[in-house]
Amino acid sequence: GQQVMQIPQYQHVQEGEDFTTYCNSSTTLSNIQWYKQRPGGHPVFLIQLVKSGEVKKQKRLTFQFGEAKKNSSLHITATQTTDVGTYFCAGPLGGGATNKLIFGTGTLLAVQP
Amino acid sequence: NAGVTQTPKFQVLKTGQSMTLQCAQDMNHEYMSWYRQDPGMGLRLIHYSVGAGITDQGEVPNGYNVSRSTTEDFPLRLLSAAPSQTSVYFCASSPNRESNQPQHFGDGTRLSIL
Repeated sequence: GQQVMQIPQYQHVQEGEDFTTYCNSSTTLSNIQWYKQRPGGHPVFLIQLVKSGEVKKQKRLTFQFGEAKKNSSLHITATQTTDVGTYFCAGPLGGGATNKLIFGTGTLLAVQP
Repeated sequence: NAGVTQTPKFQVLKTGQSMTLQCAQDMNHEYMSWYRQDPGMGLRLIHYSVGAGITDQGEVPNGYNVSRSTTEDFPLRLLSAAPSQTSVYFCASSPNRESNQPQHFGDGTRLSIL
C-alpha cells in the first residue's frame, strides 16, 4: 500500500545548528503538507506545496517539493529551542485531490541550548 | 473561538468496554476526520466525513464507528475496546470538501485499554 517515510526518525542538534528532514512517498502526490507537533501537543499546519520543484520559505524554514512530486524536505537554519517538536509531512491518500491525508512517520527534533 | 474541541482528554478502559470520543468544531467546517497516532507510525486516518449525514472509512476503520448528524459534531465510537486500540486520537477539520486543505486538529484524547 501507499507509504510515506521520513528520515531521520530523530535528530539532536545544538542550538544554532541547521536541521533537515526528508520525506519520501511511494506514490506521486498532487501536493504535500507539513505539520509541526510540539511535545504533548497536536499537529499544527505549517505549509502546503503544490508545484513540482516548488520552494517556499517561512523565516528560517525552507520547504522543497521534488521535481517528481514524490519527495519533499524541510530545512531549518540556525535552530532555536522553540523549534523542538516532531515534524510530519502529509500527502493525499491515494495521491490525488482529496482531504484524506497519509502522514509520514515523523522526525523528532531535539535542540540543546 | 474554540476551534476543534475533543473530550475527554484522557481515558482508561477495560478490554471489551465501549466508549464514545467526542469531537466538536465551531468553525462551520464541512470536512471532519479522525486519526490515531502511534509511536513511529505517524497519524493514520480512521474515518472521515465530508458533511452532515455523510461518512466514509479511512485507512484503519476496523473496531470504530462514526456518525455525523450535525455539521459541528463528529463522535468516534469504540464498540468493544481492545488493547491494540491504545493510542492518541486526534479529530481534525477543514473548511469544506474541496481537496488539499490544511487540517485543524483538536488537542487529542489519550486512550489506554487494559
